[in-house]
Amino acid sequence: GIQVEQSPPDLILQEGANSTLRCNFSDSVNNLQWFHQNPWGQLINLFYIPSGTKQNGRLSATTVATERYSLLYISSSQTTDSGVYFCAVGEPLGQGAQKLVFGQGTRLTINP
Amino acid sequence: DAMVIQNPRYQVTQFGKPVTLSCSQTLNHNVMYWYQQKSSQAPKLLFHYYDKDFNNEADTPDNFQSRRPNTSFCFLDIRSPGLGDTAMYLCATSRGGSTEAFFGQGTRLTVV
Repeated sequence: GIQVEQSPPDLILQEGANSTLRCNFSDSVNNLQWFHQNPWGQLINLFYIPSGTKQNGRLSATTVATERYSLLYISSSQTTDSGVYFCAVGEPLGQGAQKLVFGQGTRLTINP
Repeated sequence: DAMVIQNPRYQVTQFGKPVTLSCSQTLNHNVMYWYQQKSSQAPKLLFHYYDKDFNNEADTPDNFQSRRPNTSFCFLDIRSPGLGDTAMYLCATSRGGSTEAFFGQGTRLTVV
């Protein structure tokens, strides 16, 4: 199956700093999502980005499918950005469904 | 707003006592998934429904079953919970194919 690796595993920053989170995957994909898991455990959709670049406020993401990696950028970090960020890629299940294979996550801590 | 709702948010059950978790969606998506996330780990797929077709992951314990009585609802039944089943259970939906998946808030299950 597809392997997904995220780096770094942990990141501690001061409020206002910028950060880059990386996701490498082992096979070609047509589905890649970034999530933020909040303190209550809910997975919040950040980006659906199988290729290209997208931006949403202080967050942006780039996926280079041919080189099998994706990057999540967070600018001007706020304490509310703290939490675990997951990258997940789609693996076909048949019948047209896909399962998301998750990386181990990056735990981001933003200190005031 | 269209969404995925899980109930209950928190559940404590005794060792061996059957428990049912529920998930409902207003997105009218074809595919519904159940993921298990243990502490400090990534979510892992247990099974999914494509419409009424049930598909089990090979390593999902027999203790775990699911029902989907209609498009909107899906249930996770744990017949005889063990201490190792303590985890966050996440329901997700998608339209199928390589489309974006959306998650509910999760149910945090504790087996005592």
